[in-house]
Amino acid sequence: AQTVTQSQPEMSVQEAETVTLSCTYDTSESDYYLFWYKQPPSRQMILVIRQEAYKQQNATENRFSVNFQKAAKSFSLKISDSQLGDAAMYFCACVSGGYNKLIFGAGTRLAVHP
Amino acid sequence: ETGVTQTPRHLVMGMTNKKSLKCEQHLGHNAMYWYKQSAKKPLELMFVYNFKEQTENNSVPSRFSPECPNSSHLFLHLHTLQPEDSALYLCASSQDFGTGELFFGEGSRLTVL
Repeated sequence: AQTVTQSQPEMSVQEAETVTLSCTYDTSESDYYLFWYKQPPSRQMILVIRQEAYKQQNATENRFSVNFQKAAKSFSLKISDSQLGDAAMYFCACVSGGYNKLIFGAGTRLAVHP
Repeated sequence: ETGVTQTPRHLVMGMTNKKSLKCEQHLGHNAMYWYKQSAKKPLELMFVYNFKEQTENNSVPSRFSPECPNSSHLFLHLHTLQPEDSALYLCASSQDFGTGELFFGEGSRLTVL
């Protein structure tokens, strides 16, 4: 069974600073995908970034990047130049290839202070 | 229109009521999902449909009954719920099966009295 663990229930960052959210996962599959989803207050959850396990290169999307450590089963999200609009719940998630059971972590609430 | 639309946004029901949640996706996706989001708990996958066929039932109690008449619509029929079923119910869709790239609706906030 897959598990996803986010050990930081809450984080905060100053505007324009950088913050890193942690995530560890466990899966017995060799083919899997990892994701970070963002859920702003009272708004729908959206995909922030995606990483295929077979790719060694870390995914980046503008100010968002990941540090994918496959051997350690670690998948952290780095947000650079934080903006007020980045304040949200962030969920780490994992799915095994060929299956559709996307498993989420408990989430990290990120506060951004001006 | 937004990609995935859920109605109603808020629902209050008694334990003996029967109600339904509706989800509609305008993205041409083939797979649809129901997730339950409770406070301080990870999102729980409830049901998965691929091309209208149920492919996953994550040990959900029978008081929750899904229906997927076509690839664009998904319902969650509710009856004789318990107060612990109060939660945010999220619908999602995806183009591909197994890649985890989901598009979510805003959710239906359910309160069971």
